[in-house]
Amino acid sequence: QSALTQPASVSGSPGQSITISCTGTSSDVGGYNYVSWYQQHPGKAPKLIIYDVSTRPSGVSNRFSGSKSGNTASLTISWLQAEDEADYYCSSYTSSSTQVVFGGGTKLTVL
Amino acid sequence: QVQLVESGGGLVKPGGSLRLSCAASGFTFSDYYMSWIRQAPGKGLEWVSYISSRSSSIYYADSVKGRFTISRDNAKNSLYLQMNSLRAEDTAVYYCARDPLPNYGDYSSDHWGQGTLVTVSS
Repeated sequence: QSALTQPASVSGSPGQSITISCTGTSSDVGGYNYVSWYQQHPGKAPKLIIYDVSTRPSGVSNRFSGSKSGNTASLTISWLQAEDEADYYCSSYTSSSTQVVFGGGTKLTVL
Repeated sequence: QVQLVESGGGLVKPGGSLRLSCAASGFTFSDYYMSWIRQAPGKGLEWVSYISSRSSSIYYADSVKGRFTISRDNAKNSLYLQMNSLRAEDTAVYYCARDPLPNYGDYSSDHWGQGTLVTVSS
């Protein structure tokens, strides 16, 4: 069982917006602004799309946005495109000895 | 451009050892915190270990603590992971990854290698 909880799957149609949640505790998501989101296509290495809760790395589309409320972080993808179909993982710093924890991943299907 | 190239993976028997290497190029390696992150076949991501730019801070996941050792050689632009007492559950693709900001531990990774597969099986 992963330390952070994500829905196993979400889906949406092209042009729609979807949101993926990532729920932790006050020891990780809720206590620090070190939440990151990664996109992973099959057979590829993960790609960082959001860090520090809401910062987009250079080159990442502004269709991706991140936020946090309490112990839950969220990734919103606007104007869904076919190439957004992938697995998405959240991660957070944690005050436990582990330092970094990941969510179990969410499979996004673009209908 | 930033490049991270892992090597050293392979098939090893339970209880055996393996040393992974990650060759970095395209950036000032000595300025960045680095991580090893793994992914078991068909499973999610698991953070393994983290080392600061000057090796002054090192952290491990509880699942590998006491068995794995992370190190770096800034003169050789290389990151390493010494893995001892390997178990079947250590079977995974191991990724080398870089923090996004220089001289700052941000606990995220903006550049990843292609990964190297470690299989622990008798």
